[in-house]
Amino acid sequence: QVQLQESGPGLVKPSETLSLTCTVSGDSVSSSSYYWSWIRQPPGKGLEWIGYTYYGGSTNYNPSLKSRVTISVDTSKNQFSLKLNSVTAADTAVYYCARASLTMIAYWGQGTLVPVSS
Amino acid sequence: QSVLTQPPSASGTPGQRVTISCSGSSSNIGSNAVKWFQQFPGTAPKILIYSNNQRPSGVPDRFSGSKSGASASLAISGLQSEDEADYYCAAWDDSQIGYVFGTGTMVTVL
Repeated sequence: QVQLQESGPGLVKPSETLSLTCTVSGDSVSSSSYYWSWIRQPPGKGLEWIGYTYYGGSTNYNPSLKSRVTISVDTSKNQFSLKLNSVTAADTAVYYCARASLTMIAYWGQGTLVPVSS
Repeated sequence: QSVLTQPPSASGTPGQRVTISCSGSSSNIGSNAVKWFQQFPGTAPKILIYSNNQRPSGVPDRFSGSKSGASASLAISGLQSEDEADYYCAAWDDSQIGYVFGTGTMVTVL
């Protein structure tokens, strides 16, 4: 069974960098079949796709976040990571990692709330 | 920033049929399959419909999806109290080369 688990600091200060890691079990982040993705949801609001890594290292990002986002993969640990720099209060959200394909987004992590506050 | 437009709310009494619309464009719904997700407070979204009208195993057949042009809809027949949740549509967008999501619809069972 595929499982994803987000981990990272619970609080980030404005202007700093938000860093999260997603640990995958039951599948390989090197799989060429899937887009290993980050999605976020501000409190009380809708879902926003952040970006993904695929084919063991290629990436693509939401144009609205592209200048601040980096997604990387560590195949030795079967993990992929998110870095979002120069954060503001508007980046406060529940951050989800997920396994996506063109067909569906079938597997999600439980999500982790990251407040941005001084 | 949601690219797909949904009504903010929908409601019905137990047993009724509720329909949620999702409007997009030629670069997303118009050229790619639509997915629907159900989300309860404090939990991750769960796939409800994929490939416009396919249900994963375990999803009741009360849920059905359809698509026409650049719009899609989700229907819940025989509404039940446990269907009270937020619902999101999504589709791959050829311009963004990634997924776009709907604005979300809160379904209330009266």
